[in-house]
Amino acid sequence: QQPVQSPQAVILREGEDAVINCSSSKALYSVHWYRQKHGEAPVFLMILLKGGEQKGHDKISASFNEKKQQSSLYLTASQLSYSGTYFCGTADNAGNNRKLIWGLGTSLAVNP
Amino acid sequence: DAGITQSPRHKVTETGTPVTLRCHQTENHRYMYWYRQDPGHGLRLIHYSYGVKDTDKGEVSDGYSVSRSKTEDFLLTLESATSSQTSVYFCAISERAGRDNEQFFGPGTRLTVL
Repeated sequence: QQPVQSPQAVILREGEDAVINCSSSKALYSVHWYRQKHGEAPVFLMILLKGGEQKGHDKISASFNEKKQQSSLYLTASQLSYSGTYFCGTADNAGNNRKLIWGLGTSLAVNP
Repeated sequence: DAGITQSPRHKVTETGTPVTLRCHQTENHRYMYWYRQDPGHGLRLIHYSYGVKDTDKGEVSDGYSVSRSKTEDFLLTLESATSSQTSVYFCAISERAGRDNEQFFGPGTRLTVL
């Protein structure tokens, strides 16, 4: 079952904050976050594992609420370089441990 | 950056012709994946490999086959290309099982089937 990302798109001014959500209908083992810039390959940001702590990556952090079966990606004091499409990939407890199911992505544009 | 390359980077072909895309890695990672990416569909897994000669289907495997005879190479073949297979194809590698480990993506191959 594909995870649902929200919002689909967001536009920010430099310095503003944003939250991107990733929700699943299944109990999750892990949530992965990637960023893809236009015309480039996706790049890994972070993994959140069941029972793990909130992760951080520069001014980008994420949380994982196992009970709600969702993860949120927090982008604070956004920079122009944060622009791109953000994807979450999920692995559920009962599924194949070798692969991820990906959301459709959230497009983020940061303007000066 | 992880050592992962894809060839060709761009290809235009005609319907009905066979096409093979190559993914090459220098990281000695066990897992390799082929994805396609289309507008509105995100990343969709075609096939993956969890070792030499060990492969399995993903969610959109119809019309595609794969082979992995060496750790470093993972080939994706379209036996008879169709216009619906026009897409950007990404290869990814991972040291351990996908749910525990980050994936490193190759630069992608843009395939156009006329």
